[in-house]
Amino acid sequence: SQQGEEDPQALSIQEGENATMNCSYKTSINNLQWYRQNSGRGLVHLILIRSNEREKHSGRLRVTLDTSKKSSSLLITASRAADTASYFCATGSGYALNFGKGTSLLVTP
Amino acid sequence: NAGVTQTPKFRVLKTGQSMTLLCAQDMNHEYMYWYRQDPGMGLRLIHYSVGEGTTAKGEVPDGYNVSRLKKQNFLLGLESAAPSQTSVYFCASSYTARGDNVLTFGAGSRLTVL
Repeated sequence: SQQGEEDPQALSIQEGENATMNCSYKTSINNLQWYRQNSGRGLVHLILIRSNEREKHSGRLRVTLDTSKKSSSLLITASRAADTASYFCATGSGYALNFGKGTSLLVTP
Repeated sequence: NAGVTQTPKFRVLKTGQSMTLLCAQDMNHEYMYWYRQDPGMGLRLIHYSVGEGTTAKGEVPDGYNVSRLKKQNFLLGLESAAPSQTSVYFCASSYTARGDNVLTFGAGSRLTVL
């Protein structure tokens, strides 16, 4: 079953602005991951945050995790047109990951 | 380094026909997965494998069969295709299935069943 649920479903911003998308999940997790999918391509792993971490950075990406609220957020700073893609959160405590339905991000020049 | 390769990339089938999707990875990953992606549904796990010769059902296994005869290959079969199986299929592999299992995905195979 799909455990993660991203919000909003779609987001449109201009280059240079920050983009924030959220993920809520239902059960306990070992870690939470974010993936990006460009149109017509496969998913690419962006960042992983463990259940005992509250915040993690990677380049222009900042991920937070609040296990008490069962939620995570992905912040992309200084967005570029190349960031246009769908973003998925993924959780899993066993062998396989469960993905949400994704947030579609459009960054316009 | 090719990563995860899926063949074919596109296929059109008639209802009732059979076909096999092939996934190959060259990263010596132990675990492999087949997902399907449909509009508004996100990714749903079909079957997965935790090692050569082993397979297990995921969330939506009905109508599909899989085989993992070699560690680097994971095949997804449709015995009698139905229009409901029109989808984009993604194969993925990972180096661990405990804790930090980070998936590497293929480019996808778009299947249309008429």
